[in-house]
Amino acid sequence: EAQVTQNPRYLITVTGKKLTVTCSQNMNHEYMSWYRQDPGLGLRQIYYSMNVEVTDKGDVPEGYKVSRKEKRNFPLILESPSPNQTSLYFCASSPSVGITYNEQFFGPGTRLTVL
Amino acid sequence: RKEVEQDPGPFNVPEGATVAFNCTYSNSASQSFFWYRQDCRKEPKLLMSVYSSGNEDGRFTAQLNRASQYISLLIRDSKLSDSATYLCVVNKGGGSYIPTFGRGTSLIVHP
Repeated sequence: EAQVTQNPRYLITVTGKKLTVTCSQNMNHEYMSWYRQDPGLGLRQIYYSMNVEVTDKGDVPEGYKVSRKEKRNFPLILESPSPNQTSLYFCASSPSVGITYNEQFFGPGTRLTVL
Repeated sequence: RKEVEQDPGPFNVPEGATVAFNCTYSNSASQSFFWYRQDCRKEPKLLMSVYSSGNEDGRFTAQLNRASQYISLLIRDSKLSDSATYLCVVNKGGGSYIPTFGRGTSLIVHP
């Protein structure tokens, strides 16, 4: 089944404890992206990747890191989480965004709480 | 002006009603437009693309007005299952196809 998977789905952690949220897609998509969604603010892009080893900042990259060593995986790293990073996180992938924007397929989301 | 703006609603309508949402965008160079649907606490899913000539899919019609820089979504004969948040997506334009999401419009269809 074609899908985007994220792990964990739910996470409660404490300030300053490094964490990684994994994202994997099995559709051979070139483009992958991370979003956070907060009430009243909608979906905001954190980082995106046009292809392997190519990543770039989105609208709200502060406090996050990403890597794209393999085409299928795009982990989101919080080196020192803070309470303002409490949010619902979505990973998404798309065949490409080169010539035209293609449909994005979203993972099920990761609900993160930082105490 | 925000890049992509939507009325957050909620739009509260009875079953069978026709309802329309608009979404305005600020960058006249934007070239790609979409509507996504998001159910509560679930991931967004593509509802339909918006073409210059308009696009219709069953009860749903999407249109683009480039002169006034907005797209619209019309839902006819609303069903209870249409209750969701509808997200407008516009690419940044100017050579970038990176998508920008609106904050969404909430629709509640009641019996």
